[in-house]
Amino acid sequence: TQLLEQSPQFLSIQEGENLTVYCNSSSVFSSLQWYRQEPGEGPVLLVTVVTGGEVKKLKRLTFQFGDARKDSSLHITAAQPGDTGLYLCAGGLYQGGKLIFGQGTELSVKP
Amino acid sequence: KAGVTQTPRYLIKTRGQQVTLSCSPISGHRSVSWYQQTPGQGLQFLFEYFSETQRNKGNFPGRFSGRQFSNSRSEMNVSTLELGDSALYLCASSFDGAYNEQFFGPGTRLTVL
Repeated sequence: TQLLEQSPQFLSIQEGENLTVYCNSSSVFSSLQWYRQEPGEGPVLLVTVVTGGEVKKLKRLTFQFGDARKDSSLHITAAQPGDTGLYLCAGGLYQGGKLIFGQGTELSVKP
Repeated sequence: KAGVTQTPRYLIKTRGQQVTLSCSPISGHRSVSWYQQTPGQGLQFLFEYFSETQRNKGNFPGRFSGRQFSNSRSEMNVSTLELGDSALYLCASSFDGAYNEQFFGPGTRLTVL
């Protein structure tokens, strides 16, 4: 059974602070997606990383895929209240459209 | 391009009833996956359909079933509803499942009383 451990589960910070969210697994994934979800809505895809060691930047967000493709991190620089939401990592398996999701990180950024 | 659409957005049913949820994928996408999201279990994979065939299946009882039509639209059915089936049901589509990059719809909120 593939599992993806995401930490921390909850994060409450002040505007302007930096933060990092981690996803770890003992399984190798073909890809790793990061999503952000607002209450009552579906997850919105932020980024897909597919190569071990890959780093992608999206404005103040930096995503990294581990060399062994078993772990990933999301780093947010100078967080803003608009970053508030549920962040989900999801590992893709080689056999088609099945994603294994982490439990999510509830981020609250206070002004 | 229009995004993934799901209908209905909200549904209230009673125990023992059955329900059918609908999903229209992004135009050109052939893979449709279904997920159940609950506060306790998070997002869990139900099944995936590709070109009208079930390609992957999660660990859910047989009460959960689905199908895909030739235009890639998909439906999922839950029979003999239980209280524990109350959840947000999410549909996601992708072009062919490669790299598993999936785009989600807004979900159907199912409440079982």
